[in-house]
Amino acid sequence: GAGVSQSPSNKVTEKGKDVELRCDPISGHTALYWYRQSLGQGLEFLIYFQGNSAPDKSGLPSDRFSAERTGGSVSTLTIQRTQQEDSAVYLCASSSTVTYGYTFGSGTRLTVV
Amino acid sequence: GDSVTQMEGPVTLSEEAFLTINCTYTATGYPSLFWYVQYPGEGLQLLLKATKADDKGSNKGFEATYRKETTSFHLEKGSVQVSDSAVYFCALSEGAQKLVFGQGTRLTINP
Repeated sequence: GAGVSQSPSNKVTEKGKDVELRCDPISGHTALYWYRQSLGQGLEFLIYFQGNSAPDKSGLPSDRFSAERTGGSVSTLTIQRTQQEDSAVYLCASSSTVTYGYTFGSGTRLTVV
Repeated sequence: GDSVTQMEGPVTLSEEAFLTINCTYTATGYPSLFWYVQYPGEGLQLLLKATKADDKGSNKGFEATYRKETTSFHLEKGSVQVSDSAVYFCALSEGAQKLVFGQGTRLTINP
């Protein structure tokens, strides 16, 4: 596609429920990244994919968080048993070469009530 | 590990003022450096980049020069406009690795 597409754009969920966030990267981009932006905070790295592999998942905050990527394209970030502190904007980015910068999606705003 | 430190905000200026947002970094190798901008209600957009020492990135009247000797990548604009009001993020990456962001600087320009 022309840009990085994320869905849903907004998600309200009850504490304890599981959620899935989806990212469609730019076609042909081999690298895919997930970040989290909490209110008033900076950008927190979560996980990086190169193709379908995740060489760096050091930013996942707990084992409730997981992500996968299939076909070198779409990625899904799953949060199990959501907590209120998971409320944030989850951003996805893709890149074909890091020297040209990343292209970010518009994000999914997750609210846990 | 790698890190980026930005000038703390918020920064408030009048239209046509000169802007500087300071950014310094720590890296083990030779990173690429970036400035991203987030306008109100919008996603992150790449503003400019520099991939090696002494490179100058520029876009929309903004400039930043990669200074290896001072490990800095300060953002400047000669005459700001109200439409420049946004949050600005300095970032670095080393090779095909994650972007490491600074904490962001909120800029407000008053008419």
